[in-house]
Amino acid sequence: AAGVIQSPRHLIKEKRETATLKCYPIPRHDTVYWYQQGPGQDPQFLISFYEKMQSDKGSIPDRFSAQQFSDYHSELNMSSLELGDSALYFCASSLVATPGGEQFFGPGTRLTVL
Amino acid sequence: AQSVTQLDSHVSVSEGTPVLLRCNYSSSYSPSLFWYVQHPNKGLQLLLKYTSAATLVKGINGFEAEFKKSETSFHLTKPSAHMSDAAEYFCVGISGNTGKLIFGQGTTLQVKP
Repeated sequence: AAGVIQSPRHLIKEKRETATLKCYPIPRHDTVYWYQQGPGQDPQFLISFYEKMQSDKGSIPDRFSAQQFSDYHSELNMSSLELGDSALYFCASSLVATPGGEQFFGPGTRLTVL
Repeated sequence: AQSVTQLDSHVSVSEGTPVLLRCNYSSSYSPSLFWYVQHPNKGLQLLLKYTSAATLVKGINGFEAEFKKSETSFHLTKPSAHMSDAAEYFCVGISGNTGKLIFGQGTTLQVKP
């Protein structure tokens, strides 16, 4: 079965650079969530989209922006990168109509800021 | 809003012995609760979920969890630990009506030979 795809899997950037993370949800899933997991931390919700509209926003810095496109893939854009942005970034997708709101996670993008 | 608390940051068991990972939740309504597992440098995999259909939920790899409303608990158990069970386990709830997940602090399960 098709899973959530994230690219790239690993990314190394310098401080103050920009980064773009991509997420391709499971086919027919209409909702995408982004989470950030710092070293030794639990994942923290950043932002979500339903049918290409932002549906919720968590602790996402103003330097970050995201959108969901017409094919339902999503991109997380991160500017003016800081050392503290080094983390594992997960994308998850779900079908809103699914009872219990099960989310399927991608493998994550590991961002390292030097 | 819903929140989850994992009572142990580290649990160590011997291979072949039972596993118990504890999770308490707080919610003003019937919650949706999940257990996810994360192996080192891997993504998050759903073990099981509770959605009020049955209080005893069976998941993958022999894990199960029991929802106890009177104790506001959703502990994860497995009768016999395997070396491959060594991983980070997250108890997870849903916050609000947009489906965003709220993670517990995580429990590191160590399995000794």
